[in-house]
Amino acid sequence: EDKVVQSPLSLVVHEGDTVTLNCSYEVTNFRSLLWYKQEKKAPTFLFMLTSSGIEKKSGRLSSILDKKELSSILNITATQTGDSAIYLCAVYGANSKLTFGKGITLSVRP
Amino acid sequence: GAVVSQHPSRVICKSGTSVKIECRSLDFQATTMFWYRQFPKQSLMLMATSNEGSKATYEQGVEKDKFLINHASLTLSTLTVTSAHPEDSSFYICSGQKGYNEQFFGPGTRLTVL
Repeated sequence: EDKVVQSPLSLVVHEGDTVTLNCSYEVTNFRSLLWYKQEKKAPTFLFMLTSSGIEKKSGRLSSILDKKELSSILNITATQTGDSAIYLCAVYGANSKLTFGKGITLSVRP
Repeated sequence: GAVVSQHPSRVICKSGTSVKIECRSLDFQATTMFWYRQFPKQSLMLMATSNEGSKATYEQGVEKDKFLINHASLTLSTLTVTSAHPEDSSFYICSGQKGYNEQFFGPGTRLTVL
C-alpha cells in the first residue's frame, strides 16, 4: 500500500521566519510528487516534482525532490500570516491514484 | 492552471434523504475525475475514481450503492449520497485530471446531515 508521511504535523513560527516542511513516501511505480496548500476550502496546487534534484520555485516558496531518499521538502522563506494553512504532500503511484499525507498545519504569528 | 467547480458548496439535509453533488471541469476535459472525502483535521481520502462513460472504481471500504457516481460527459461527474446519515457528514472534494500527472481540485462541498 502506498504511504506518504509528512513532518512535523504542526508548526508555529513568527512572520519573517523560514520554514522547511518534510515529506517522505513509499510508493509503487512513483510518477510524481505534488504539494498543495489548503486553507478553508479545497487544496490549491503549488508544485509538481518528477525529477530528483531540480528545485522548483514560486516567489517565496520552493521545493525539491530526492528520489534516492524518497523524500521532498517545501521551503517557505520570509513567512507571512497569509502562509498559515495546511500543506499537503501527495504522490502519484500505480493506477494513477494520488496518495495524500496527513498534512502539516503551519501557523504564522504576526 | 485549470478550473474545477462544485455545486452546491454547502448542503444541510435530514437523515434518510439523498444529496447530489456536481463536479465540473470548466476549461478542460477530464476523462478521469476523482472523489475524495475529508473529515476534520484529517487528510483527503480517495473514495472513487470516475472515468467518463464507464463505471466508477471504488476504494476499499466505500459502498458503491451508497455513493453513486456518474460521469456522463468529459466535463461533469456527479456524486449522490443516498439515504444520508449523520456519519456521512463530511467535506467532499472532487478533482479533474488534466494531462498525465496533474489533478485540479474543486472548492469542495460541505455536507451536514441532521
